[in-house]
Amino acid sequence: EDQVTQSPEALRLQEGESSSLNCSYTVSGLRGLFWYRQDPGKGPEFLFTLYSAGEEKEKERLKATLTKKESFLHITAPKPEDSATYLCAVQAGGDSNYQLIWGAGTKLIIKP
Amino acid sequence: EPEVTQTPSHQVTQMGQEVILRCVPISNHLYFYWYRQILGQKVEFLVSFYNNEISEKSEIFDDQFSVERPDGSNFTLKIRSTKLEDSAMYFCASSDRRGVVHSPLHFGNGTRLTVT
Repeated sequence: EDQVTQSPEALRLQEGESSSLNCSYTVSGLRGLFWYRQDPGKGPEFLFTLYSAGEEKEKERLKATLTKKESFLHITAPKPEDSATYLCAVQAGGDSNYQLIWGAGTKLIIKP
Repeated sequence: EPEVTQTPSHQVTQMGQEVILRCVPISNHLYFYWYRQILGQKVEFLVSFYNNEISEKSEIFDDQFSVERPDGSNFTLKIRSTKLEDSAMYFCASSDRRGVVHSPLHFGNGTRLTVT
């Protein structure tokens, strides 16, 4: 069964303290892995798409990387405004063309 | 920047009643989706819609659910007879293309449905 697992569930950091969030997946043929940010009471906001192992993408203080089994979202010198829930979603191969399989998210809290 | 808008932001209904959740996708997008998120749980796919028909639906999307694009701008989700377990945040999303890999989804801010 296709599955996406994110860890940790929650992460508290001091402002400026760098860290990484993990998204591990077991799917039948990865087509794409997506990172989204979700603020309380809002819909997910797209951050990155990664297509193949070894790929990396960056945006401001965020950097996403992908291996054959997992993806990391590295956050460098975070600021309080980076506080949010970060969601990982995977598009698997096979018969399903439209469904994304979502992780439960990591709630990131950055303290000033 | 264009955005997906959803109304109402919060809907309270009694068990057994019909509800219609409304969405206005981004104007040049062609693919439309409904997702739901029960409080504290994962985002779950409900249905995708393209060219005026359902492209794919999940097991959650049973006969109680239907979608419609009644005009050129609106996209609706109807739940015919609501159950307590339908209480969730419902997100509409749209994207501008479909290739082998999903193009990024643009989400609205959701409708919180509370069934009492």
